[in-house]
Amino acid sequence: GESVGLHLPTLSVQEGDNSIINCAYSNSASDYFIWYKQESGKGPQFIIDIRSNMDKRQGQRVTVLLNKTVKHLSLQIAATQPGDSAVYFCAEGSSGTYKYIFGTGTRLKVLA
Amino acid sequence: EAQVTQNPRYLITVTGKKLTVTCSQNMNHEYMSWYRQDPGLGLRQIYYSMNVEVTDKGDVPEGYKVSRKEKRNFPLILESPSPNQTSLYFCASSLGPQGGSYEQYFGPGTRLTVT
Repeated sequence: GESVGLHLPTLSVQEGDNSIINCAYSNSASDYFIWYKQESGKGPQFIIDIRSNMDKRQGQRVTVLLNKTVKHLSLQIAATQPGDSAVYFCAEGSSGTYKYIFGTGTRLKVLA
Repeated sequence: EAQVTQNPRYLITVTGKKLTVTCSQNMNHEYMSWYRQDPGLGLRQIYYSMNVEVTDKGDVPEGYKVSRKEKRNFPLILESPSPNQTSLYFCASSLGPQGGSYEQYFGPGTRLTVT
């Protein structure tokens, strides 16, 4: 995964602050959305998902917001920690097709 | 331990030499999928399988083949690799929408270089 981070937009946040990572999705027919975290040299790891019949879902320190009107998804991380430093991807899927489309990712850097 | 394994982790090969990347999961998942990851392009789906003997094309299937003869295994076959298939490959598995979960578990990745 060491070359994954090239050309990615980067969000730098101070440790302890909240982070907001945004994603625009492409397909109006997508009915579920997922956020993944990818650390260097590892495969993506599931964070949280949300169905299209919801506009907000909360997990442990994370919240996903879905705005279907403008096809926008965001991931909020509360009290960002150094271990949150990674590349974050959103993905959209359609339950009718079983296909997934991933965004290009955002690198989150947590500053001590 | 629940996991997805891939082999090999690293492979350097030459154009035209057939290769197979294996993928195995121990979670009894019905859904499995292959992705390639390239800088600036994110993860792109190559093929997926909803169950044994049921496979379908993703967004970038050209130059790849898959098979799903057993539930736990989903090998990726490159019959005649070319340099543009140099990439980082990930296998993933999931209960799938039919199982009520969209959460995919990813393997550690296979870095393939075709010269």
